Amino acid sequence: DAGVTQSPTHLIKTRGQHVTLRCSPISGHKSVSWYQQVLGQGPQFIFQYYEKEERGRGNFPDRFSARQFPNYSSELNVNALLLGDSALYLCASSPRGGDGYTFGSGTRLTVV
Amino acid sequence: GQQLNQSPQSMFIQEGEDVSMNCTSSSIFNTWLWYKQDPGEGPVLLIALYKAGELTSNGRLTAQFGITRKDSFLNISASIPSDVGIYFCAGMNYGGSQGNLIFGKGTKLSVKP
Repeated sequence: DAGVTQSPTHLIKTRGQHVTLRCSPISGHKSVSWYQQVLGQGPQFIFQYYEKEERGRGNFPDRFSARQFPNYSSELNVNALLLGDSALYLCASSPRGGDGYTFGSGTRLTVV
Repeated sequence: GQQLNQSPQSMFIQEGEDVSMNCTSSSIFNTWLWYKQDPGEGPVLLIALYKAGELTSNGRLTAQFGITRKDSFLNISASIPSDVGIYFCAGMNYGGSQGNLIFGKGTKLSVKP
């Protein structure tokens, strides 16, 4: 069975650019969450979606947005990239939105 | 952003030693989880705790949900080389298909030189 898949695995962007990260949840999972993990820190919650509706938002600026599609896959968008946005972006899926979170391997974003 | 207080930050282990780490919070949680993260990978769930006072084992790993609901600990018995990695605690308040994880900063386990 496929786990949580994220693409791309690595990405280099320039300050001011825009980036889109993608996540496919485990089959049958209806909830997707996004986390940012800066080097040396634990993951920080960005968004949670369940059945295509936003169910939670962390303390991140409006430059960060996300959406969930009818097939439950999800995109995380970040506009006007800053150097401080360099991090590992993790996607986690869950059957119902609060339990059994399974993480993907992440997308390593480097902003130069 | 909010992070839990996790200690120790790092520790060195020798094969066969027992290891303990803990996590505290100023807030109450109704769920505590422990994850392990290897380089280049996402966190992998080790143990989930759902009830205050609960003690749960997974092989050589044992974790407890503190009675105050503000703390948890993880023990690893008879450590082996593949236990090396970063361990994270996470707290969550789940309800109505909504729940986000609050993570600690991690405990890095390394092998004694």
